[in-house]
Amino acid sequence: EPEVTQTPSHQVTQMGQEVILRCVPISNHLYFYWYRQILGQKVEFLVSFYNNEISEKSEIFDDQFSVERPDGSNFTLKIRSTKLEDSAMYFCASKPDQSYGYTFGSGTRLTVV
Amino acid sequence: AQSVTQLGSHVSVSEGALVLLRCNYSSSVPPYLFWYVQYPNQGLQLLLKYTTGATLVKGINGFEAEFKKSETSFHLTKPSAHMSDAAEYFCAVSALGETSGSRLTFGEGTQLTVNP
Repeated sequence: EPEVTQTPSHQVTQMGQEVILRCVPISNHLYFYWYRQILGQKVEFLVSFYNNEISEKSEIFDDQFSVERPDGSNFTLKIRSTKLEDSAMYFCASKPDQSYGYTFGSGTRLTVV
Repeated sequence: AQSVTQLGSHVSVSEGALVLLRCNYSSSVPPYLFWYVQYPNQGLQLLLKYTTGATLVKGINGFEAEFKKSETSFHLTKPSAHMSDAAEYFCAVSALGETSGSRLTFGEGTQLTVNP
């Protein structure tokens, strides 16, 4: 069964450093998303991406965050200057169109120290 | 705008007993509803979804859920719990067709414990 692949599975970074979280969505999917889950809290929407542009973003997704689909297969989330409160599990998701459920990746656990 | 409320952050059942996880939603437009399961240190796996049509939907691992518009509910059930069902369960809503897009709004999650 096709999967959404996320790398790395764990990343530790120092506060103020830039991080790039990588995702390979399912190949025929058109809609791409990032969600995050702070430990012990619910999963929160960050951003959606369609047709090579952001279609929606949450209030969490401020100027420190950016997304990119650089080569038609990868979908990346960049955090420019990490803060302690960015520590969370980040999930990538994709779907073929608006009528189907998402397929989530297994997540990247980001720890900012 | 949408919201989801999951009643009970922790539910404990005996192996073989009925599992009932409660979910109520709020949506200004007809909702799409989802249940996801998360095993420790893993991602979110779709259990089942309601989009349109039959209000009783069956999912994987013997789970099912019923969409009740009048009660704004989408409770998850399984007739007989298995030890492997122990996990965290998330209810989520998506309001397709709105200009705000198709983001998923999740509930707080319910941790299911299955006792031998």
